[in-house]
Amino acid sequence: DSGVTQTPKHLITATGQRVTLRCSPRSGDLSVYWYQQSLDQGLQFLIQYYNGEERAKGNILERFSAQQFPDLHSELNLSSLELGDSALYFCASKGLYRNTIYFGEGSWLTVV
Amino acid sequence: DAKTTQPNSMESNEEEPVHLPCNHSTISGTDYIHWYRQLPSQGPEYVIHGLTSNVNNRMASLAIAEDRKSSTLILHRATLRDAAVYYCILRDAVQGAQKLVFGQGTRLTINP
Repeated sequence: DSGVTQTPKHLITATGQRVTLRCSPRSGDLSVYWYQQSLDQGLQFLIQYYNGEERAKGNILERFSAQQFPDLHSELNLSSLELGDSALYFCASKGLYRNTIYFGEGSWLTVV
Repeated sequence: DAKTTQPNSMESNEEEPVHLPCNHSTISGTDYIHWYRQLPSQGPEYVIHGLTSNVNNRMASLAIAEDRKSSTLILHRATLRDAAVYYCILRDAVQGAQKLVFGQGTRLTINP
């Protein structure tokens, strides 16, 4: 158990809909990262937050957004969903003075 | 981000040592070498990291070439549970919160 909790574990939704994925980082970890893993793209970095502020942005679509709340949990919002958004979405967290990034078990999103 | 090169796949037998190579010829002086692995249907998992000297932990050993342009992850006695995709990643030590950039990794198959 990495200590990073993601909900929901599985989600099936229709095209055009909007979903929110939630992540609770390890206790005290200020950095939260979001990654997308699809079969043909591998693990792609989406976005990083540090203590509530956006720190880095990767290949995140404009239809996607994220935020980190004062209690350090984070949410990834995916809107106007397309079939190609079907993927495993991972959240990860890191402590301030640690080198290790810990990943959650992911949220499986299927868009039909 | 400095790039790493790994073989797409490797195969080994149970209870034998496994040596997973990684080339990183453009590594900078402040880059740490990190290894993560991803078991089927799970999030990536930290294995080991190092800067210049060889490193050992309960999971594996990391052998770093003197010029730091390559490294080798060593699993001393592979088990079936070690079957996974192994990622070699460079992270700048100065930018402590820097994201992990995943390549394609090496898919390790362990034969019983």
